[in-house]
This record gives sequence, structure tokens and C-alpha cells, in this order.
Amino acid sequence: AQKVTQAQTEISVVEKEDVTLDCVYETRDTTYYLFWYKQPPSGELVFLIRRNSFDEQNEISGRYSWNFQKSTSSFNFTITASQVVDSAVYFCALSEADTPLVFGKGTRLSVIA
Amino acid sequence: DAGVIQSPRHEVTEMGQEVTLRCKPISGHNSLFWYRQTMMRGLELLIYFNNNVPIDDSGMPEDRFSAKMPNASFSTLKIQPSEPRDSAVYFCASSFGQTSGSTDTQYFGPGTRLTVL
Repeated sequence: AQKVTQAQTEISVVEKEDVTLDCVYETRDTTYYLFWYKQPPSGELVFLIRRNSFDEQNEISGRYSWNFQKSTSSFNFTITASQVVDSAVYFCALSEADTPLVFGKGTRLSVIA
Repeated sequence: DAGVIQSPRHEVTEMGQEVTLRCKPISGHNSLFWYRQTMMRGLELLIYFNNNVPIDDSGMPEDRFSAKMPNASFSTLKIQPSEPRDSAVYFCASSFGQTSGSTDTQYFGPGTRLTVL
């Protein structure tokens, strides 16, 4: 069965520090999709990225970057030069073909000014 | 473009009352999902529809919960009778799913915060 583990429950950093949020997944399928969502204090879930299992290229979007490594079943998320507005709960999620999305428990990131 | 719309945003009710949560998916999306989020259990999928047909309702807690999707632009999640343990944030999400699964990106509504006293 598919599973997503976010071992870091809470992380606290000082503004402008870099921070990496870990995500480890389990799946038996060769075709699957990985996602990251952000949930700010206002409560909505905001989509950040979707990556399929055949694309291991790292992705960079502004201060956000993602490192996908199939060898370690990880899809880690790095925020460079963190800002207070990055404070949120971040969820990693996994979906296989024709199965519902499975979310990790989330990592609460606090960025302190 | 309008995102997923949910109403009401907040609902406070008393135990035993019927509660109806509403969702309007993004136009053109053909998969719709209902989730519940609590501190203890995190995000749980309750049910999802593809082309208005329920595909998987194994996450629905019990018979007190029911969901319908009468057309492509509207879905409801009903709890009758409500209990204090149903207090949670309920999210609706939609995706442009070609299959009955959920590999396409799901876009979430703002959620309904339900409190059952």
C-alpha cells in the first residue's frame, strides 16, 4: 500500500535561513505522482508542485526547489532564504494510478523574523 | 478564474442536527473529492466522484454521512444526525481527472469549519 512519511513534525528557522522539508514515500507501482501542498494559517490548501515518477529532474520555482530521488524514495522540498510568509504546514502526497491521493501528516514550518 | 467554492465557511450546530456542506468544483473538472481534516487524523479522503458517479466511498465514517453529486457543478456532503466528533474542517477538491483515480492535480476549496456542540 502507498504511504507517505514526513518525519519532521515541526521546524523553526530564522528568516533568511534555508530549510529542507523531507518526504519519503512507499509504493509498489512504477507509475506514480508526487505532490506538495502548502496550508498557511488561513487554512486553505495551496497546490505547489506535481511530479511524475518518470521525471527525476529537480525543479526550481523562485525560492522553492524540489529534489526527487527514486533511489531513496524521497521528494524533498527546500525553501531558500525563508520568509515569514513561508510559515505554514506543508504536506507531501502520493497517488498511484486509479487510487486516491495519500497525504503525509505534514510538517509545520515556523519562520521567525 | 474561480476556484473551488465551498459553503458555508463556518458552521456551528448542535448535536443531532442535520448539516449540509456544499461544493462547486472548478468548471471543466470531472473529479470531485471530499476530505476531512482533524488534528488527530490529519487529512482523510471521505469520498470521491468521477463524472458525477461515486467511485470510492470507503472513507465515509458511517451511515450518518452521505454525499451526492447531482450534476457536474454541484456536490453536497450531509451529516445526519451530527455528533461532536464530527467537528473538523471539511475540504472539497476537484481535478481534471481523465480516469477514476486521482493522479491529476487536485485543487482545494477554502474548507468548511464545522463545530458540533
